[in-house]
Amino acid sequence: QQQVRQSPQSLTVWEGETAILNCSYEDSTFDYFPWYWQFPRESPALLIAIRPVSNKKEDGRFTIFFNKREKKLSLHITDSQPGDSATYFCAASNYNQGKLIFGQGTKLSIKP
Amino acid sequence: DPKIIQKPKYLVAVTGSEKILICEQYLGHNAMYWYRQSAKKPLEFMFSYSYQKLMDNQTASSRFQPQSSKKNHLDLQITALKPDDSATYFCASSQNWGYYAEQFFGPGTRLTVL
Repeated sequence: QQQVRQSPQSLTVWEGETAILNCSYEDSTFDYFPWYWQFPRESPALLIAIRPVSNKKEDGRFTIFFNKREKKLSLHITDSQPGDSATYFCAASNYNQGKLIFGQGTKLSIKP
Repeated sequence: DPKIIQKPKYLVAVTGSEKILICEQYLGHNAMYWYRQSAKKPLEFMFSYSYQKLMDNQTASSRFQPQSSKKNHLDLQITALKPDDSATYFCASSQNWGYYAEQFFGPGTRLTVL
C-alpha cells in the first residue's frame, strides 16, 4: 500500500521558472510532512518541513502549500536554478512515530 | 568531520552469505534508523531505535537484524543474502524519536549481492 504518492515522476523546467511538485497521502493521522532532496550519489537531506497547524511554509525560494481536507501538499520552487536539479522526496510522519514514510520521489531537472 | 559514519561505503557479497553494515553517529542523538533505497522502492523505512531500544520494525524478514552495542551505534546484520537485497542502506539519526525531530542521513552503504 502506497501511503504517500508523488507526481510527476520527473519534471523539467527552465531556469527562472517555478517548479511545482505534488504529494498526496492516505493516513489522516500524519501530521508532519518533511521534504527531502537528494543529489546524485549523495544521501537525502532535509529541505523544508510543514506541520498542519499552518497551510503554508516558506523558506526562501521554497514554499510548501498544504490542503488538509484533500490530503494534498505541493512544493513550489520559484526562480528555479540549475543547482536545484535533484530528486525531491515528500515524506510523512506523526508526533508519535519515529519513521518517515517516503513517496517515490520527483526527479527535477532545471535547464539553463 | 562526518557526523554519521557508515562502513563500508561499497560492499559486494555472494548469495547466501552474511554481512554486517556499520553505523556510528556523533551528533549526540538518541534515536537511530535504517532505511533502504533501491530502484524498485526508493527510501523504504526498516527499523527505528530510541535509547538502544527497538521502537519499530517494518522489515518482514528476520534475515535483517539491527544491533545496538552503544547508544551511538546501530549496525545492521543481514544473513542469507539474496540478489533482491541489493540496495543502498542508509543509517539516520535524530535528536529524539518522534516529536517531529529532523532525521539526518548518513552517506550510505551500497550493497551488491551477486
